[in-house]
Amino acid sequence: EVQLVESGGDLVQPGGSLRLSCSASGFTFSNYAMHWVRQAPGKGLEYVSGVSGNGGSTYYADSVKGRFTISRDNSRNTLYFEMSSLRTEDVAMYYCVKGYSYGQFDYWGQGTLVAVSS
Amino acid sequence: QSDLTQPASVSGSPGQSITIPCTGTSSDVGGYNYVSWYQHHPGKAPKHIIYDVSERPSGVSHRFSGSKSGNTASLTISGLQAEDEADYFCTSYTSTSIRVLFGGGTKVTVL
Repeated sequence: EVQLVESGGDLVQPGGSLRLSCSASGFTFSNYAMHWVRQAPGKGLEYVSGVSGNGGSTYYADSVKGRFTISRDNSRNTLYFEMSSLRTEDVAMYYCVKGYSYGQFDYWGQGTLVAVSS
Repeated sequence: QSDLTQPASVSGSPGQSITIPCTGTSSDVGGYNYVSWYQHHPGKAPKHIIYDVSERPSGVSHRFSGSKSGNTASLTISGLQAEDEADYFCTSYTSTSIRVLFGGGTKVTVL
């Protein structure tokens, strides 16, 4: 059974940093692209970032480019998301998502909540 | 405002069929057969219920079906059941650099 378990969400001050983790199991982690998708309160889903199976290619939405970094450790079956210079507009539930093909995702985690407030 | 347009809410009585549209452009929904649909019960992980416009992943009920006409994809839920009450959202591959667009989500209410 595929499982994706996110952790690391917290309340931070504007300008602060946070690292999200996603522990994956139930599939050959290194064979699949992985992604982060977020949903702000009362808003729709937003694609944030993705990384190829071997970690060699990364993608970022313009809204987080230069501030957030996606990475993976295939030996630990873990996806990471380093978030810096956090803004109030980054407040959202962040979901770890397994890539399927061509912009489609087949498994999602339950999400981890990031709050930004002074 | 999301990149793909979905109605905010759709409702139906048990046993009825409802259809949720997901409208994009020729650069995404209309240009590729890579539309997916997801069911999301609040507080739980979203569940993949349709891929490649009309294919069902293993274990997904046959009451869920997908289709596409032009720039609009649609999800139909037949024989509506109380457990179908959830949020549903679509995604589509796009030729832009980010590669995927999301619909704003539709809340399905079973009356």
